[in-house]
Amino acid sequence: DARVTQTPRHKVTEMGQEVTMRCQPILGHNTVFWYRQTMMQGLELLAYFRNRAPLDDSGMPKDRFSAEMPDATLATLKIQPSEPRDSAVYFCASGLWDRANQPQHFGDGTRLSIL
Amino acid sequence: AQSVTQPDIHITVSEGASLELRCNYSYGATPYLFWYVQSPGQGLQLLLKYFSGDTLVQGIKGFEAEFKRSQSSFNLRKPSVHWSDAAEYFCAVGASSGGYQKVTFGTGTKLQVIP
Repeated sequence: DARVTQTPRHKVTEMGQEVTMRCQPILGHNTVFWYRQTMMQGLELLAYFRNRAPLDDSGMPKDRFSAEMPDATLATLKIQPSEPRDSAVYFCASGLWDRANQPQHFGDGTRLSIL
Repeated sequence: AQSVTQPDIHITVSEGASLELRCNYSYGATPYLFWYVQSPGQGLQLLLKYFSGDTLVQGIKGFEAEFKRSQSSFNLRKPSVHWSDAAEYFCAVGASSGGYQKVTFGTGTKLQVIP
């Protein structure tokens, strides 16, 4: 089965450090989503790309977060500088969004701990 | 804008018993509805989806869900629960918004299965 691949699976770092999370969407999928999951807030949509172009990043703190898609096989989410409140599990999902009825396929997430 | 409510945060059932997880949505038109399951340390996996047609949809792992427009509900059911079904379940609603797709996830229901 085709899968969304996220790296790293776990990341522990000190506050102030730059964090980069990577996502390889399923080949042929034209839409990529970044989510953050915490106990308190649940699943939050951070950003959304279609055909590599950012469509909606309103859920992302702009001052420290950035999301890019340098090519069709790689999406990145960066946090600089990181803060303890950024500790969460970050999920990438991909899909085919030519019609409004296609499900998203999720990766296994990056568990981020900021000390 | 659409919204999803999963009224039960946590449910405990005995192995072999039947299961029903509730999901209510709010959307002005016919929504696209999904159920996902998340096992510990993993991403969300699609169980089933509803777009149109037969209101009773079958999914993987023996799950089914019924779309009831009059009640704005899309409840997930399984006739006999297995211990491996212990996980968190998310209902989601998808709809077109401003020319692109938007999916809203519920807050999830944690299922505990006891022997």
